[in-house]
Amino acid sequence: AQSVTQPDIHITVSEGASLELRCNYSYGATPYLFWYVQSPGQGLQLLLKYFSGDTLVQGIKGFEAEFKRSQSSFNLRKPSVHWSDAAEYFCAVGARYGNKLVFGAGTILRVKS
Amino acid sequence: DAGVIQSPRHEVTEMGQEVTLRCKPISGHDYLFWYRQTMMRGLELLIYFNNNVPIDDSGMPEDRFSAKMPNASFSTLKIQPSEPRDSAVYFCASSLNVDEQFFGPGTRLTVL
Repeated sequence: AQSVTQPDIHITVSEGASLELRCNYSYGATPYLFWYVQSPGQGLQLLLKYFSGDTLVQGIKGFEAEFKRSQSSFNLRKPSVHWSDAAEYFCAVGARYGNKLVFGAGTILRVKS
Repeated sequence: DAGVIQSPRHEVTEMGQEVTLRCKPISGHDYLFWYRQTMMRGLELLIYFNNNVPIDDSGMPEDRFSAKMPNASFSTLKIQPSEPRDSAVYFCASSLNVDEQFFGPGTRLTVL
């Protein structure tokens, strides 16, 4: 069965510092991988996605993620965090067909000034 | 496009009452999803449709929950009768083929 693990429930970083949010997945075939961000009281917005090809993908708002098949990971990174990045981040895995996604539990990012 | 539209944004009801949540997907999208988000269980997929047909309803918690999609531009999620443990934020999302899912703003349901 598909599953996604986000080992960090909360992360606090200083504004301007680099960020890495971890995501590990379990999936029997080639996964489709996504990172979504949710601001308080809002729906989820897609940051980036990986379907195939280059394992380093660029997203919106300066985020990037790297797919590492050997480690079953898809970690999200940003070189310099802004206070507006404070939100909850979700990693998700899906199949090529059927479009059903499984979401991780989320990581809440706090940014301190 | 206006994005995925959900109504109402907030719903407060009493236990035992019927609740109907509504969703209008993005025009042209062929998949529609209903999710529930709670602190305890995170984001759970309840049911999804493809071309108005329910494909997987294995996430629907029990018979009190039902979902319909009478046409490509409208879907409802109904809870009857509602219980306090149904309190959550319910999201609708739509997508085109296997591409990204676009989420609506959610409906915050409180059952007293």
